[in-house]
Amino acid sequence: GQSLEQPSEVTAVEGAIVQINCTYQTSGFYGLSWYQQHDGGAPTFLSYNALDGLEETGRFSSFLSRSDSYGYLLLQELQMKDSASYFCAVRWSNYQLIWGAGTKLIIKP
Amino acid sequence: KAGVTQTPRYLIKTRGQQVTLSCSPISGHRSVSWYQQTPGQGLQFLFEYFSETQRNKGNFPGRFSGRQFSNSRSEMNVSTLELGDSALYLCASVQEGRDTQYFGPGTRLTVL
Repeated sequence: GQSLEQPSEVTAVEGAIVQINCTYQTSGFYGLSWYQQHDGGAPTFLSYNALDGLEETGRFSSFLSRSDSYGYLLLQELQMKDSASYFCAVRWSNYQLIWGAGTKLIIKP
Repeated sequence: KAGVTQTPRYLIKTRGQQVTLSCSPISGHRSVSWYQQTPGQGLQFLFEYFSETQRNKGNFPGRFSGRQFSNSRSEMNVSTLELGDSALYLCASVQEGRDTQYFGPGTRLTVL
């Protein structure tokens, strides 16, 4: 079936760069989205890739490669406030919504 | 624009009861999705409505149902509550075209 795979947890140091990968099994989707969720809060939209390539929004960038069946979220100049869970999501061509299980990002001083 | 609103924010029910949650999307958004999130878990998709029609449905039992009104407001209902239904229920308003989802603050349901 259709699924998105993300690492369950990633640890990084404040000020560093971290990449969170999202891989999928099948093709035929409209685009790949990324969301951030702090503990106790609701998910908030970060980035959307409709086409292959890199999308940059401040310290955050997102990349999509349909030929390689994966995408990633890149966070630069990590700050303690970036500690959160990050989810990738796609809408397949049949309009079905699929979400990854989320990656918990732990940032150490 | 006002964001997505959900009511109530907190709810305590007992097993066997039913509950109705409400979601008002961002003005102009015609699509609403519902999710269940349990502690430490990802988002489990419940269903999506677009222009009063259910467009997609996740793998939840028939006790979970929803509907959307002509003003795009949506409700979800859970009947015969079970302890395992305790969760954060999130509603998302979708911006068509970009497929960006804007989430409400959620309703935290506790079943005793």
